Amino acid sequence: DTGVSQDPRHKITKRGQNVTFRCDPISEHNRLYWYRQTLGQGPEFLTYFQNEAQLEKSRLLSDRFSAERPKGSFSTLEIQRTEQGDSAMYLCASSSPGTGEQFFGPGTRLTVL
Amino acid sequence: QQQVKQSPQSLIVQKGGISIINCAYENTAFDYFPWYQQFPGKGPALLIAIRPDVSEKKEGRFTISFNKSAKQFSLHIMDSQPGDSATYFCAASLGGSYNTDKLIFGTGTRLQVFP
Repeated sequence: DTGVSQDPRHKITKRGQNVTFRCDPISEHNRLYWYRQTLGQGPEFLTYFQNEAQLEKSRLLSDRFSAERPKGSFSTLEIQRTEQGDSAMYLCASSSPGTGEQFFGPGTRLTVL
Repeated sequence: QQQVKQSPQSLIVQKGGISIINCAYENTAFDYFPWYQQFPGKGPALLIAIRPDVSEKKEGRFTISFNKSAKQFSLHIMDSQPGDSATYFCAASLGGSYNTDKLIFGTGTRLQVFP
C-alpha cells in the first residue's frame, strides 16, 4: 500500500497526559500537512512541512502542540497536557508541490477522558 | 474572507437521481477547488478538483461546475448510487505566489442515496 499511513488509529488518554501521533506520507511527496477534524465539521488546517521545514502554523496550534519532520520523511504531532477539547480526529495529508492534490491518511482518533 | 460556505447540510436522493452540492467563497485569490468524499471513520478521499481557468470538469459520474464571477462552485453526482452515501466536503486553497496550499474546507454535506 503506497498511501498515507497514520499510527495509532485510535488513542484514548486521560486529561493531562502527553500523546504523540505519527504520519508516513506517500514516499515521493515532499509536502506534509496536519489537520484536525471534530464531529460534524470539515478538517481544519494545523500545520504543514515542505521537506523538514515547518512553513506554516495555524493559530489553532497552541503551545501544547508541536510537530516535527526531522528527515523530511515521516512526521510526528505531539500534544502535551491533553485537554478534553483536544478530542478529535487528527488527519495527515501529503502532496507534491505544484499539483495542489492532497492525499489524506485514515486519521488518528483521539479521545481525552 | 477565508471561509468556504457549503450547502445543503444534508441531502437525500433516490437511486439514479442527481445529487447537487453547492459551495461559495469570498477570497478571489483562491485558485484550487477540490471536492473530497469521506466515509465514517475514514480519511477524506480526493474526488475531483478544478482550477478557475475552466468552468466545468467531468470525471465519470462526477462533475464540478465553476462560476468565477459568482464565486461559486458545485458538485453534481449523476446516476447517484447507494454506495455514494457519504459526507462530501468542498475546499479551496491559495497557491502560486502565496506559497501556501493549505486547504480551507466547507462544513460538509451528508448525502444519503436510497434504493
